[in-house]
Amino acid sequence: SQTIHQWPATLVQPVGSPLSLECTVEGTSNPNLYWYRQAAGRGLQLLFYSVGIGQISSEVPQNLSASRPQDRQFILSSKKLLLSDSGFYLCAWNRGIDSGNTIYFGEGSWLTVV
Amino acid sequence: AQSVTQPDIHITVSEGASLELRCNYSYGATPYLFWYVQSPGQGLQLLLKYFSGDTLVQGIKGFEAEFKRSQSSFNLRKPSVHWSDAAEYFCAVGAGDYKLSFGAGTTVTVRA
Repeated sequence: SQTIHQWPATLVQPVGSPLSLECTVEGTSNPNLYWYRQAAGRGLQLLFYSVGIGQISSEVPQNLSASRPQDRQFILSSKKLLLSDSGFYLCAWNRGIDSGNTIYFGEGSWLTVV
Repeated sequence: AQSVTQPDIHITVSEGASLELRCNYSYGATPYLFWYVQSPGQGLQLLLKYFSGDTLVQGIKGFEAEFKRSQSSFNLRKPSVHWSDAAEYFCAVGAGDYKLSFGAGTTVTVRA
């Protein structure tokens, strides 16, 4: 069966410091990969998605970037964190080119920028 | 582009009572529709999904949802709520591309 892991689960970082959140998917190949952010009291905002190695689509302009160095690895990064980057970050995956395919989520990473 | 509205931010229900969460979507064709549940501090778990066919969809944990094209709705229901159903619930719509659009969520509180 397929599993998705993301880490770290919790992170407290000072303003201006770098960020790296990692996500890996096991048990499948060539998945679509996603990073979502969930701010307090708000819904899920799609940040990035990737349909293949090195292929990254950004949904909103922001202080973050994403990379996919391997087929099943998706990394969310920032060079200098802002207070507004605080939130709950969710990695997700699905198969195929159709969003009718169910998206499966990781357990999430809590980021607090202080 | 597709969009989703969950009109209720917070619902409180007594244990054993019925629950209905509302979801309205905006999309020109028949969308793919999903309900997810999120326990505090955790990721999202799929409850059920609608692609086509029977408009009444059964999911896990005793939940069901009904797709009503005329009302652009996909409401989630459970006949008898358990304390463990306290969580946040998200409706989502997909339109045939790579992405899902999520509603803002409805928080369910279950009182004894």
